[in-house]
Order: sequence, then C-alpha cells, then structure tokens
Amino acid sequence: SQELEQSPQSLIVQEGKNLTINCTSSKTLYGLYWYKQKYGEGLIFLMMLQKGGEEKSHEKITAKLDEKKQQSSLHITASQPSHAGIYLCGAGYGKLTFGQGTILTVHP
Amino acid sequence: DGGITQSPKYLFRKEGQNVTLSCEQNLNHDAMYWYRQDPGQGLRLIYYSQIVNDFQKGDIAEGYSVSREKKESFPLTVTSAQKNPTAFYLCASSWLAGVNIQYFGAGTRLSVL
Repeated sequence: SQELEQSPQSLIVQEGKNLTINCTSSKTLYGLYWYKQKYGEGLIFLMMLQKGGEEKSHEKITAKLDEKKQQSSLHITASQPSHAGIYLCGAGYGKLTFGQGTILTVHP
Repeated sequence: DGGITQSPKYLFRKEGQNVTLSCEQNLNHDAMYWYRQDPGQGLRLIYYSQIVNDFQKGDIAEGYSVSREKKESFPLTVTSAQKNPTAFYLCASSWLAGVNIQYFGAGTRLSVL
C-alpha cells in the first residue's frame, strides 16, 4: 500500500517568511491532493496535481509535483497568520491515503 | 448552499453503547467516505461507498458499520466492539468519474465517558 511521509512535522515561522512543506511517497503518485485543516474542523481542498512536473498556484501558495511523481512540495510565500493550520497531502484515486500532516504556526 | 453536513459536532459514548454519526451531502456526489483522525496522525479510511446499497471496508473497519440507503446519506455507527473510539471523525464525498476531489464535512468529535 502507498505511504506518504510529510516533512517537517511542525513548523514555526515569523509572519512574512517563506516556507516549504514536503510530501514523499513510497510509490508513484497518481493524483496528489493538498488540503488545509484548522484544528477541530474539516479539511479544505487547496490543489490537485496529476502530471509529473506540474505546478499550480493559488494566491500565495504554490504546489509542485516532481518529474518522477514521487514527491510534492507546498510553498507559501510571505506567510501570514491566516496560513496557520495543518497541511495534509493525500494521494490515490477514490480511496485516499494521507500523510500525517504538518502543523504550521505563523507568529505575527 | 451545497455541502456536507456532519452531526452532531460532539458526541459522548458510554461503555457498551453503539453511537451513530450522521453525514449528509447535497452535492449529488456518487461516492462517500468515512475517515478517522487521531492526534498527530493523518486520516485513516474506515469505510467508503461508491453507489447506493454498496460499500467497502477501508483500512480500519473493525468495530464500525455503515449503510448507504440513499445517495445523499452515509451514516457511521461506532459499535461497542470498537475499544478505542475516541477520535475526530470526518466524512467526505466526491464524484466517481474524472477528477474526484474529495470534499469534507466539519467533523464529529467522539469521546468516551
């Protein structure tokens, strides 16, 4: 079965700093999803990547899938307190496997 | 407003009791899913259903049961056989064909009294 490893497990940054979260798979990724979760709430869909080398952006968040389709990164530019939360990567078709999540704290 | 509604938001279970978590969607999605989230862990799939009256076990189905009598509803019962039920439960739904992005409800937090 597919396993997803996220790094780092937690991240504390000062407002305005850039940051990157990684998601590494034990197998080729066919459909990679990034979600954000506020503590005690549901997951909010951010972006989906399918093709090797694909890159998508939404506001200040950019997600990339490497050419070999085994690693994805989520990059936040000029972080804000509103970016704080748990970021999860998920992969698969239908049944999703999730990474353990990365807890992001942004200090004003 | 289209979306996924989970209820209740908080639920307490006594020992030996079965409890049912509700999940309703009005997105006309074909597939529905139940996940369990424990602190410091990602989501683990309990059950999923791709069509009415049919469902499949996920990775951690023991101690849980589901039904899918209507397209829009996918209730999860946590039975007394589930010895460690304290967790955050999330329901999701998606289209089956094409890009099947899963959309999530707000979750139910279950605790044991």
